[in-house]
Amino acid sequence: QSALTQPASVSGSPGQSITISCTGTSSNVGSYNLVSWYQHHPGKAPKLIIYEANKRPSGVSDRFSGSRSGNTASLTVSGLQAEDEADYYCCSYATRSIVFGGGTKVTVL
Amino acid sequence: QVQLQESGPGLVKPSQTLSLTCTVSGASISSNYYWSWVRQHPGKGLEWIGYIYHSGSTYYNPSLKSRVSLSVDTSKNQFSLKLRSVTAADTAVYSCARVWFRELAIDYWGQGTLVTVSS
Repeated sequence: QSALTQPASVSGSPGQSITISCTGTSSNVGSYNLVSWYQHHPGKAPKLIIYEANKRPSGVSDRFSGSRSGNTASLTVSGLQAEDEADYYCCSYATRSIVFGGGTKVTVL
Repeated sequence: QVQLQESGPGLVKPSQTLSLTCTVSGASISSNYYWSWVRQHPGKGLEWIGYIYHSGSTYYNPSLKSRVSLSVDTSKNQFSLKLRSVTAADTAVYSCARVWFRELAIDYWGQGTLVTVSS
């Protein structure tokens, strides 16, 4: 069981927006803004898409956005595209430790 | 560009020690980053194992802390993982990664290597 809780799957049609939640506790997400999100296509290395809860690395599409409120962080993918179909993982600092969510499979219908 | 490459045995017997090395190219392991190991059990999510700074400071997943150790060899630009007393539950894809020092986000990953624990 992962320390951070994510929905197992989320789906949407091309052009729509989806949001993935990542629920932690006051020991991780609730206490630190050090939340990151990764896009993982099977067989490839995960890709950093959000860091510090709401910042995008250079080169990452602005269709990806992140937020954090209380013990929950969220990733929104707007203008869903076929290439967005992948697994998404949230990650948080937790006092000398790092914890991941269980992952969310995004399906583009 | 920055590349990380895992190496080590793909098969380890139960109760033995799993040993993997990550060779870093395109960046100095002595730069201001942490260097980390992450694993993924078959069909499961990601699990953080630990990270190390070039000074030797280490931080471990509390659930693995009693069995894991990380080390760094700055002369070879490598860092290593040892996981003792392995069981079938340690069968996973092991990946090494570079972690931003302040933001604690992973920007580069190795491709990962499957380690199977079996007699």
